[in-house]
Amino acid sequence: GQQVMQIPQYQHVQEGEDFTTYCNSSTTLSNIQWYKQRPGGHPVFLIQLVKSGEVKKQKRLTFQFGEAKKNSSLHITATQTTDVGTYFCAGRDNTDKLIFGTGTRLQVFP
Amino acid sequence: SQTIHQWPATLVQPVGSPLSLECTVEGTSNPNLYWYRQAAGRGLQLLFYSVGIGQISSEVPQNLSASRPQDRQFILSSKKLLLSDSGFYLCAWSWDFSSYEQYFGPGTRLTVT
Repeated sequence: GQQVMQIPQYQHVQEGEDFTTYCNSSTTLSNIQWYKQRPGGHPVFLIQLVKSGEVKKQKRLTFQFGEAKKNSSLHITATQTTDVGTYFCAGRDNTDKLIFGTGTRLQVFP
Repeated sequence: SQTIHQWPATLVQPVGSPLSLECTVEGTSNPNLYWYRQAAGRGLQLLFYSVGIGQISSEVPQNLSASRPQDRQFILSSKKLLLSDSGFYLCAWSWDFSSYEQYFGPGTRLTVT
């Protein structure tokens, strides 16, 4: 079946450093969403990308959808301790189901 | 505005006991509903989804079942729990199955002992 992999699985950064997580699908996606889950919490929707090559920004967060619509990335500039959590991408396949990625857990040290 | 509720928040159950987790959504009608399981430190596994009352689609064969007795109520059940059923169970809803984001409930942390 379709898989959505994320790398890295886990990353430590010092506060102020940048962070990037990458999402790769085995098949073409109709759209991709990103969610953030704080420790002990539930996933919260961040953004959706639909078009090939699309780039969207939310303050320090930059989201990109690949040209082939099979990969995506989330980049955080100058991380803060409030960025701690697990970031999931979720791609929509050709059956319209949302397939969640394996997640990247971000730890930010002050 | 819409809100989603799940209960209980935490549950410890012995192996072989039954399970019933409930999820309700307020402030919308005919939502799409989903049950996910998240093992410790892992991603989200879709277990069931429902696009309407009485319509349940199962994604993973297992000893769990789901029901939707009312428009905004989604129940996850098991007749006999296994150790491997431990995890964080999340209910979610969306406006539309194919295009919109999903809104998650607070989750139920289940430990099977």
